[in-house]
Amino acid sequence: EADIYQTPRYLVIGTGKKITLECSQTMGHDKMYWYQQDPGMELHLIHYSYGVNSTEKGDLSSESTVSRIRTEHFPLTLESARPSHTSQYLCASSEGGTQETQYFGPGTRLLVL
Amino acid sequence: GEDVEQSLFLSVREGDSSVINCTYTDSSSTYLYWYKQEPGAGLQLLTYIFSNMDMKQDQRLTVLLNKKDKHLSLRIADTQTGDSAIYFCAEMNTGGFKTIFGAGTRLFVKA
Repeated sequence: EADIYQTPRYLVIGTGKKITLECSQTMGHDKMYWYQQDPGMELHLIHYSYGVNSTEKGDLSSESTVSRIRTEHFPLTLESARPSHTSQYLCASSEGGTQETQYFGPGTRLLVL
Repeated sequence: GEDVEQSLFLSVREGDSSVINCTYTDSSSTYLYWYKQEPGAGLQLLTYIFSNMDMKQDQRLTVLLNKKDKHLSLRIADTQTGDSAIYFCAEMNTGGFKTIFGAGTRLFVKA
């Protein structure tokens, strides 16, 4: 069973606020990912990391930033939330190697008013 | 660039078989995956197949891979209402740097 956690699960916040979405995994996985997904729609990769101190932007341009100071932790930050940031954010991790099953967290649903 | 395409919707009756199809463009894909997403949840791996295999069976699930046509399918036998979800096809390229996901197929199971 995958051990990857996201908090908060739901967040309603006003425009202009700074927010950090937390993601933690206890599997020791090197690779971690952030996806943005509008409800019932496709996934868009916005950030990924190969390991500590490694972060890369994904396919979809995002105003968010990420950090990877510890293997198990990959937080995503929005400095100034806007209504266009309203979406679901999914965190995932994978072991790295030849077979790259990704384990997903339950997601954070963000609503920016 | 790499692309993965799926039909968006599929509706079946309970007890029938469901077949969800996927096409991909990257001929160097090494692993192909099927993930399931239930409402309000993250994705969960259902099964995967290595590119040198034609078929993989796991209980009610059968994966067929036609590498020549770059076509992947997932067959769910005896579909149940609990199988209603979004099913994502995904491929991983030889570099293993990233996994490309399709847009997902929404499976509706009618009782």
